[in-house]
Amino acid sequence: DAKTTQPTSMDCAEGRAANLPCNHSTISGNEYVYWYRQIHSQGPQYIIHGLKNNETNEMASLIITEDRKSSTLILPHATLRDTAVYYCIVRVIGKTSYDKVIFGPGTSLSVIP
Amino acid sequence: DGGITQSPKYLFRKEGQNVTLSCEQNLNHDAMYWYRQDPGQGLRLIYYSQIVNDFQKGDIAEGYSVSREKKESFPLTVTSAQKNPTAFYLCASRGTSDRGLQAGELFFGEGSRLTVL
Repeated sequence: DAKTTQPTSMDCAEGRAANLPCNHSTISGNEYVYWYRQIHSQGPQYIIHGLKNNETNEMASLIITEDRKSSTLILPHATLRDTAVYYCIVRVIGKTSYDKVIFGPGTSLSVIP
Repeated sequence: DGGITQSPKYLFRKEGQNVTLSCEQNLNHDAMYWYRQDPGQGLRLIYYSQIVNDFQKGDIAEGYSVSREKKESFPLTVTSAQKNPTAFYLCASRGTSDRGLQAGELFFGEGSRLTVL
């Protein structure tokens, strides 16, 4: 699976959009981009995933560049409860893939009042 | 409600003792995973299993053992051979799509915090 690179930490003002970048320059054609977040001392929670089109759900939007080498997770109106570590991972979805699902260190987002 | 349950939430162990962490899911998921997390670090994969009676080592399997005798259960044993077992342990499961693809997001339990005294 391709590796990802994320900034170690970011701050965002409450009510503003939080834009979390992720680089995955070695991503291959059949790898999806997934985002999870982990609030302190809890299990990570799925946020969103995509292949090449931009995606939006009730939690966030995912923007994937045309060359698929990077993506951005957007939390449109950050609240204090969005303070968490955000993980970007890439993985293959396929019948024969032995999917290890590796998590890097992620980005620690602090939403500031 | 469907979900994934880890127990115990907190566990203390003396050096030299083996301990087993429980992970049970009622989501009918095929794949299950064990991760270890140290303070301020990301998740590191210990073991994973795609189907019953089959499992694979992750990146840090030394000192750990697992079994997958039932689809819903994937217990992790932290053996005395694990040099630094104090950590937060997370179990996860993932389903298969209608087309039989290894798709879908991971569902995580609430974790088990192991402390070696």
